[in-house]
Amino acid sequence: GQQLNQSPQSMFIQEGEDVSMNCTSSSIFNTWLWYKQDPGEGPVLLIALYKAGELTSNGRLTAQFGITRKDSFLNISASIPSDVGIYFCAGLDNYGQNFVFGPGTRLSVLP
Amino acid sequence: GAGVSQSPSNKVTEKGKDVELRCDPISGHTALYWYRQSLGQGLEFLIYFQGNSAPDKSGLPSDRFSAERTGGSVSTLTIQRTQQEDSAVYLCASSLVSLSEQFFGPGTRLTVL
Repeated sequence: GQQLNQSPQSMFIQEGEDVSMNCTSSSIFNTWLWYKQDPGEGPVLLIALYKAGELTSNGRLTAQFGITRKDSFLNISASIPSDVGIYFCAGLDNYGQNFVFGPGTRLSVLP
Repeated sequence: GAGVSQSPSNKVTEKGKDVELRCDPISGHTALYWYRQSLGQGLEFLIYFQGNSAPDKSGLPSDRFSAERTGGSVSTLTIQRTQQEDSAVYLCASSLVSLSEQFFGPGTRLTVL
């Protein structure tokens, strides 16, 4: 089946630094979603992207739908301690059958 | 408004027992999904309900797993004869229409001893 890859798998950054993570696939996706999961909680939707090339911001978060439709990027500016968590990407495949989730990027923010 | 709720939040059971996990989706959402998340892992799709259509069961790992959605609202995921490898967090999500943004519940943490 279709799979999404996320990189990096985990990252440790200093508070105040900017963060960049990405999600890639060998297949085309029509929609990209980015979620954040806090420990012990369910994932919370951060940003949804619907068009190739689309760039969308939500506060300190910015995400882009790659031109090739095979990737997406999430950037976090000026990280703060509450940014800690696991960031998942999810894509809706070209057949519109289901969402596929990536394995996640685990972010740790050091004070 | 109320989000997706799941119960129980935690469930500890003995190997071989059956368990039922409940999901209450956001009111008016027609689609409902179940996922499994093992410790430190991503989300594994289990089953998807859309309105009154037959559910997509393609992700269920074995015939010990089944799910129902009554009246197009509440859903129950049943695991029969639980095994230790069933231990995980079971997440439910709902969306307004099929394949639109999914909103997740807090999950049920299942531990099989």
